[in-house]
Amino acid sequence: EIVLTQSPGTLSLSPGERATLSCRASQSVSSSYLAWYQQKPGQAPRLLIYGASSRATGIPDRFSGSGSGTDFTLTISRLEPEDFAVYYCQQYGSSGWTFGQGTKVEIK
Amino acid sequence: EVQLVESGGGLVQPGGSLRLSCAASGFTFSSYAMSWVRQAPGKGLEWVSAISGSGGSTYYADSVKGRFTISRDNSKNTLYLQMNSLRAEDTAVYYCAKADQPIRFLGAFDIWGQGTMVTVSS
Repeated sequence: EIVLTQSPGTLSLSPGERATLSCRASQSVSSSYLAWYQQKPGQAPRLLIYGASSRATGIPDRFSGSGSGTDFTLTISRLEPEDFAVYYCQQYGSSGWTFGQGTKVEIK
Repeated sequence: EVQLVESGGGLVQPGGSLRLSCAASGFTFSSYAMSWVRQAPGKGLEWVSAISGSGGSTYYADSVKGRFTISRDNSKNTLYLQMNSLRAEDTAVYYCAKADQPIRFLGAFDIWGQGTMVTVSS
């Protein structure tokens, strides 16, 4: 099973700042089958990025994904008030699907 | 509008059973693999089970293998999760989720239901 480790656990930033979230896999993720989700309290997760770098439908271009192999990054170029939430990475290329433990982006 | 609506959650005693349902609308249900994902209170996301569009292939997390059964009725556009031998650690919100691409089994989850709470406690 591929284990995904996200860092940092919590990111404290101000609106307008840039957020950089990391997701590291215990082994290579095949064909960049890596996704990112956003979850707000009391809500279901929302797909942001799939295939490591493709934005899902309706996702603003301030969200971008990059990386390959075992190291992946989600970048939010300028944080808007609605972006403060928990973010999860997920791989779907081997032995089923696994999620990282999440990174909380909170208002500083 | 593409929509998933879960039902069937509730309070059950340890060792008991429960069947969750997920009603789908707004897309060609039989063309898409579907999954169940759960989230224990205050915890992260855990994938539970997946099923291909035809229902011919199923996949389970080790934590539920042999206790949970995923199935679908494409004539009713409905996904199911039969949960037996429930344990306290199965307590969670259970979400159904749709694969982002038709036909392909492996994929991200582009549509999620609102979730249904399952509580296992005596």
